Amino acid sequence: AQTVTQSQPEMSVQEAETVTLSCTYDTSESDYYLFWYKQPPSRQMILVIRQEAYKQQNATENRFSVNFQKAAKSFSLKISDSQLGDAAMYFCAYRNHPYNNNDMRFGAGTRLTVKP
Amino acid sequence: DGGITQSPKYLFRKEGQNVTLSCEQNLNHDAMYWYRQDPGQGLRLIYYSQIVNDFQKGDIAEGYSVSREKKESFPLTVTSAQKNPTAFYLCASSINLGGVENEQFFGPGTRLTVL
Repeated sequence: AQTVTQSQPEMSVQEAETVTLSCTYDTSESDYYLFWYKQPPSRQMILVIRQEAYKQQNATENRFSVNFQKAAKSFSLKISDSQLGDAAMYFCAYRNHPYNNNDMRFGAGTRLTVKP
Repeated sequence: DGGITQSPKYLFRKEGQNVTLSCEQNLNHDAMYWYRQDPGQGLRLIYYSQIVNDFQKGDIAEGYSVSREKKESFPLTVTSAQKNPTAFYLCASSINLGGVENEQFFGPGTRLTVL
């Protein structure tokens, strides 16, 4: 079974600085999808960014970007110009079947603190 | 506004009692899901449903039951057989088509505490 590992239970960053959250995964598949979800204190899960494994170009959404290293099975999230509203739990997730949205695997999460 | 609602936000029950968590969506999504979230762990899939009147077990279905009589609704019952029911429960839905665009949308969650 596919597993997702987030090795950093907690991270902190100074406001306006850049922080990178790590995620590794284990799979024997060649085509899959990767996601980063944000869960703020309200506990509402929000999709931050997604990456298709067959695309070599790293996904970018405003201040959020990923570093996708397929061979290393690594999918890190970089948050630039960190804001107080970025403080949240961040979950990395993996889905391998393009037509099976049920097979979503989540990491244990990284709690990000943003210091003013 | 379209979205997913879960009620109640906090729920307290005595040990041995069954309890039902509500999940409603007005996104016209075919698929719905229930996840359990525990501290230090990611989300784990309890049950999912791809269409009305059909549902499948996820990784941790024991002690839980669901129904899907309407497209908009996917209630979860936590039965007395669930040995450790205290947790945060999240409901989600998706269009149920293939492709990365088919993201899951989540509700605000229900915190269940069994006393």
